[in-house]
Amino acid sequence: NAGVTQTPKFQVLKTGQSMTLQCAQDMNHEYMSWYRQDPGMGLRLIHYSVGAGITDQGEVPNGYNVSRSTTEDFPLRLLSAAPSQTSVYFCASSYSGPGGNEQFFGPGTRLTVL
Amino acid sequence: GENVEQHPSTLSVQEGDSAVIKCTYSDSASNYFPWYKQELGKGPQLIIDIRSNVGEKKDQRIAVTLNKTAKHFSLHITETQPEDSAVYFCAASKGGSYIPTFGRGTSLIVHP
Repeated sequence: NAGVTQTPKFQVLKTGQSMTLQCAQDMNHEYMSWYRQDPGMGLRLIHYSVGAGITDQGEVPNGYNVSRSTTEDFPLRLLSAAPSQTSVYFCASSYSGPGGNEQFFGPGTRLTVL
Repeated sequence: GENVEQHPSTLSVQEGDSAVIKCTYSDSASNYFPWYKQELGKGPQLIIDIRSNVGEKKDQRIAVTLNKTAKHFSLHITETQPEDSAVYFCAASKGGSYIPTFGRGTSLIVHP
């Protein structure tokens, strides 16, 4: 199993550009989520999905869009990039079930917005 | 919503010493408490977790303790080694919801 994969690893954008961060998992996990990691701020939830066709907002959703058409894929779209979106982005997946379960993280995408 | 506080933000120890990282949470309904280790340039990875029906759990040099009354849990690393140097995150989530809330992380530095 490849686990959780993310592309690209690095990206530089200009203010106002749009782009899609790709995330895929091959573990048949129902739950997938996107986090951003900034120095001293920990991992903040952007959007999450509990299954194909179902998404919801997390703590910091503004400026980002998601969709979940298949179990495997959960892309994150930046609609109009801003310097405040410079961050490291992690995708994660987990099994469903009560009480919480281990999250499997991808290797991250380091995004710089100029 | 849930709020998780993690301390310290930075911890520097000598090789062989013990390290303790502490977290508190606000929602008494939380019942799953994982700890993740993040090495430089990588995604976080689960190292140990504990559920609310257990007070302590050990895995070799790593242990986690949970005090539900006080709403705090701690990670203990004994006989630290340079390869333990990383950022550690605690998290809390509650039954019926998979969404964990993370602490802000602790940067552990183990000096040889």
